[in-house]
Amino acid sequence: ETGVTQSPTHLIKTRGQQVTLRCSSQSGHNTVSWYQQALGQGPQFIFQYYREEENGRGNFPPRFSGLQFPNYSSELNVNALELDDSALYLCASSRDSNYGYTFGSGTRLTVV
Amino acid sequence: KNQVEQSPQSLIILEGKNCTLQCNYTVSPFSNLRWYKQDTGRGPVSLTIMTFSENTKSNGRYTATLDADTKQSSLHITASQLSDSASYICVVSPNYGGATNKLIFGTGTLLAVQP
Repeated sequence: ETGVTQSPTHLIKTRGQQVTLRCSSQSGHNTVSWYQQALGQGPQFIFQYYREEENGRGNFPPRFSGLQFPNYSSELNVNALELDDSALYLCASSRDSNYGYTFGSGTRLTVV
Repeated sequence: KNQVEQSPQSLIILEGKNCTLQCNYTVSPFSNLRWYKQDTGRGPVSLTIMTFSENTKSNGRYTATLDADTKQSSLHITASQLSDSASYICVVSPNYGGATNKLIFGTGTLLAVQP
C-alpha cells in the first residue's frame, strides 16, 4: 500500500508566476485535502476534493485552485504568486471523514 | 481565538523522561480528535485518533486521553527518545454542516528531547 506522494519536494518561483503542485493519494482513498503551512505555524485548510468535486474551501483567494482526477490524484494551482505564498504545502488523503488522514511530506515553495 | 489551543508552546526534557502535552478545544460537535507528530519540514504523521466516545488510545509509547465534558485531550509520551523531538499537533475534525472533513489544527507543541 503506497502512501501519499507529493511533487516536487522543493520549488523556487518568482513573484507573479504560476505554480502547480501535485499529489498522489494513498491507495483506496477518495478524498484529498490541501493545506498551507507557513514557517512556525499550523497548517491552514485550503480546500478539499471528494470524488473529483470540491466540497470544502478555506479562506484562500480564487487564485488558489485545484483539481482531482479520476484516479483521485490531485493538483493545487496558484496563480500570480505573492511573497506570502512561500510555505510548506501539504496534501492529505483519506477514505472518509471518520478515518485517519495520511499526509504527504509536502512541497516547500519559496517565492522570491 | 483559535478553536484548538495547545500547551505548553515548547518543552525541553531529558532522554528517558516522560512528558504530557495538553490540548483544549472549543470545536463542537466534533467527529474525532487526532494527535500528529510533525518533524521539521515534513508532513504530519498520525499517532492516535479518538472519537468523542473514546477516553483513551495508545500507540506504543504514546497514550492519548480525551475528556469530552471538559473538552480537553492530552498526549503522554513515556520513556522519551531523541527521535521524539518534533512538533506535536492536536487536530479536531468538526461534525457540523458541510465541514465534516475540515480539520482544525492546534497551535502545536514543540518538543526537544536532550541526551
